[in-house]
Amino acid sequence: GNSVTQMEGPVTLSEEAFLTINCTYTATGYPSLFWYVQYPGEGLQLLLKATKADDKGSNKGFEATYRKETTSFHLEKGSVQVSDSAVYFCALTKAGTALIFGKGTTLSVSS
Amino acid sequence: EAQVTQNPRYLITVTGKKLTVTCSQNMNHEYMSWYRQDPGLGLRQIYYSMNVEVTDKGDVPEGYKVSRKEKRNFPLILESPSPNQTSLYFCASSLTGGREKLFFGSGTQLSVL
Repeated sequence: GNSVTQMEGPVTLSEEAFLTINCTYTATGYPSLFWYVQYPGEGLQLLLKATKADDKGSNKGFEATYRKETTSFHLEKGSVQVSDSAVYFCALTKAGTALIFGKGTTLSVSS
Repeated sequence: EAQVTQNPRYLITVTGKKLTVTCSQNMNHEYMSWYRQDPGLGLRQIYYSMNVEVTDKGDVPEGYKVSRKEKRNFPLILESPSPNQTSLYFCASSLTGGREKLFFGSGTQLSVL
């Protein structure tokens, strides 16, 4: 079946460090891929998405590229800020199926 | 403002006492869904609804009921709550349930004693 695997956290970084959160998926066909972010005490909100191979999603300095050959959608940011501290979820969906989430990766950024 | 509204935000109850968590969206979305979030398990889908009067089980439906009598509302019902249903619950909606963005409520923290 369809599934998403993302790196275990927590990830602890200093401000301005480079961030990578790994995400790989298992799915037949061509799923759409997403990164959602959950700030403390809030619901999830969409950070970025990509709907086909080689698409790059980007938002707020975060980027992720849909790599079909490696079934990956790694999240990157060149310089993190304290305000980026949150839980990040990788997810996938195919037409007619529910959104499937990874287990989440907690990011903690200190000044 | 486009939003998904859940109530209550926090709820403490005792085993066996029926409860309802309400969810309402003001975006005329067809698709609505309930998730529970547990440490180390991420988000798991409980039930979803593709439209009025259409509901389907997600991955963890046992112990829960839902109804979709109106497009905007999708309440989650625990007929006889048990401690293993202590969790953080989220309602979400999207236009059609396809590949578009999901809008989430702020969550309901439920504790069953």
